[in-house]
Amino acid sequence: DGGITQSPKYLFRKEGQNVTLSCEQNLNHDAMYWYRQDPGQGLRLIYYSQIVNDFQKGDIAEGYSVSREKKESFPLTVTSAQKNPTAFYLCASSKAGVSEQYFGPGTRLTVT
Amino acid sequence: AQSVTQLGSHVSVSEGALVLLRCNYSSSVPPYLFWYVQYPNQGLQLLLKYTTGATLVKGINGFEAEFKKSETSFHLTKPSAHMSDAAEYFCAVREDSSYKLIFGSGTRLLVRP
Repeated sequence: DGGITQSPKYLFRKEGQNVTLSCEQNLNHDAMYWYRQDPGQGLRLIYYSQIVNDFQKGDIAEGYSVSREKKESFPLTVTSAQKNPTAFYLCASSKAGVSEQYFGPGTRLTVT
Repeated sequence: AQSVTQLGSHVSVSEGALVLLRCNYSSSVPPYLFWYVQYPNQGLQLLLKYTTGATLVKGINGFEAEFKKSETSFHLTKPSAHMSDAAEYFCAVREDSSYKLIFGSGTRLLVRP
């Protein structure tokens, strides 16, 4: 079955540590996105990539980094510079020229 | 710039009652509009979308939405609520000149037995 995989489902880290969240898709989609979701808020865009080896900052990119070395993969690193990293992180993808995005199951990151 | 407003962070209905979730948008160009549903601790699932053409859009699970340009609205409805409809619902609009989506803050639907 085609879809988007995010791993792990739950992630715990100590403050000051970098952590990388995985996102893989086998939908052959060109574009991929990372969102952050906090309780009672909508989704906020962190980074997005429309093509391999290229990505753009979203609305809240500070303290995060990404790479897009393969079409299928778009890992997100939450660095120690992110002031409040505890949140639910969602990865999405879409075909080029098509607006609707398809979402993975999410990773809940807790930093203490 | 585009924006999306969802009226009511929580909506409560009885099982079998009409579901109405409100969404208003602002956009300087003809909008592409979406409704997504999110169950607890899961990702978002596309319910329906409006791009062009018919203004009444039917989606999955018996939901539909009507695009009303004069009211800049895209409200989501379902004639008869089911317990399994309890979830959070997000309205979104495509940003001008890109494929980025702007999301509303969400409406949590509670269904009472």
